[in-house]
Amino acid sequence: SQKIEQNSEALNIQEGKTATLTCNYTNYSPAYLQWYRQDPGRGPVFLLLIRENEKEKRKERLKVTFDTTLKQSLFHITASQPADSATYLCAPRSNDYKLSFGAGTTVTVRA
Amino acid sequence: KAGVTQTPRYLIKTRGQQVTLSCSPISGHRSVSWYQQTPGQGLQFLFEYFSETQRNKGNFPGRFSGRQFSNSRSEMNVSTLELGDSALYLCASSLEGNNNSPLHFGNGTRLTVT
Repeated sequence: SQKIEQNSEALNIQEGKTATLTCNYTNYSPAYLQWYRQDPGRGPVFLLLIRENEKEKRKERLKVTFDTTLKQSLFHITASQPADSATYLCAPRSNDYKLSFGAGTTVTVRA
Repeated sequence: KAGVTQTPRYLIKTRGQQVTLSCSPISGHRSVSWYQQTPGQGLQFLFEYFSETQRNKGNFPGRFSGRQFSNSRSEMNVSTLELGDSALYLCASSLEGNNNSPLHFGNGTRLTVT
């Protein structure tokens, strides 16, 4: 069955450092993959979308890579700030057009 | 532009009852998807509607149903509630549907079944 795995542990980092989150998927080949941010008590907010023919995508301090051979996406937050503290969800889109979400990685940035 | 609006924000129901949740998508968005979020299972896809037709469905029992109206507003219904249905129900709208464009989520309806 299709499976999505994100960093199992929460990530605690110092302000100014780079946070790197991992998303691994098995048993399917997504046409693209999305990343979302979710704050407590609120719905997820879209951050970035990367297609299977793209290796890397950037948006301000965020960078996403997509390796279809390794079946992995990496999400980087550079020059992290306390305001970046949230849960980050990866969501590969399967060939039957369903968007499935990983369990998320909770990032805490210490000032 | 107003975001996705979900009502009510909180709901408490008793086992065996039924419930209807409402979602108003962003103006111009024709696709509405519903997700269930629980601490143990994360975000689980329920179904997607596009132009009043259910286009995709997740692996939930028939007690979970939905519909979409001509103005793209959507409702989700859960009948014969069980304790395990306690969750945050999230609605998301998008322009194209089929998950070809980003989802815009509402802040959800928190359902508690006692």
